[in-house]
Amino acid sequence: NFMLTQPHSVSESPGKTITISCTRSSGSIAANFVHWYQQRPGSAPTAVIYEHSKLPSGVPDRFSGSIDTSSNSASLTISGLKTEDEADYYCQSYAVTNTVIFGGGTKLTVL
Amino acid sequence: EVQLVESGGGLVKPGGSLRLSCVASGFTFTSHSMHWVRQAPGKGLEWVSSASIFGTYTYYADSVKGRFTISRDNAKNSVYLQMNGLRDEDTAVYFCARAIGTGWFGSWGQGTLVNVSS
Repeated sequence: NFMLTQPHSVSESPGKTITISCTRSSGSIAANFVHWYQQRPGSAPTAVIYEHSKLPSGVPDRFSGSIDTSSNSASLTISGLKTEDEADYYCQSYAVTNTVIFGGGTKLTVL
Repeated sequence: EVQLVESGGGLVKPGGSLRLSCVASGFTFTSHSMHWVRQAPGKGLEWVSSASIFGTYTYYADSVKGRFTISRDNAKNSVYLQMNGLRDEDTAVYFCARAIGTGWFGSWGQGTLVNVSS
């Protein structure tokens, strides 16, 4: 199976834009959909992007997703950062063996 | 409203067993594969297991294969995780999750804590 590698942590100021990357170790990033989750402390994860770039109902359009085949990575971008966006973010995809792969998670600090 | 409610967690000694349950409501249970995902204290998410809509196909992470068994009872809108041969490293919050469409997790339970300790 492949791995999904995320930066351990990122930080940015309120109102700014941040991008979190998720790099696939082998095989094409386009081969399987990438999904993104937000997890606030003490809470269950919730989806913020599915199928590379789609927004689940109720997620503000400050959140966006994309993939880049040249770097074999997916990205989650949050614009107009708010303090409430401070959380851990995880990317997720599937392996051909029908097993699920999560990235290691990125801690976003909004300071 | 979609709800997933886990139960069955607790303190267990290494080598022991536990059975987790997840009761679903607010959606057509037989339209979705169901998954267990765990999170060790201070660590990231780790997928554990999944069951197809009728439970015909089940899949496991290598870390639990041969020790854990997933099952579902569609008449009770429930999915279970039988955990045998528990190890210290199985200590985690275990979440039940509903997969949608291409396999993203559109709904999660609140989690149940499994603590494996002597």
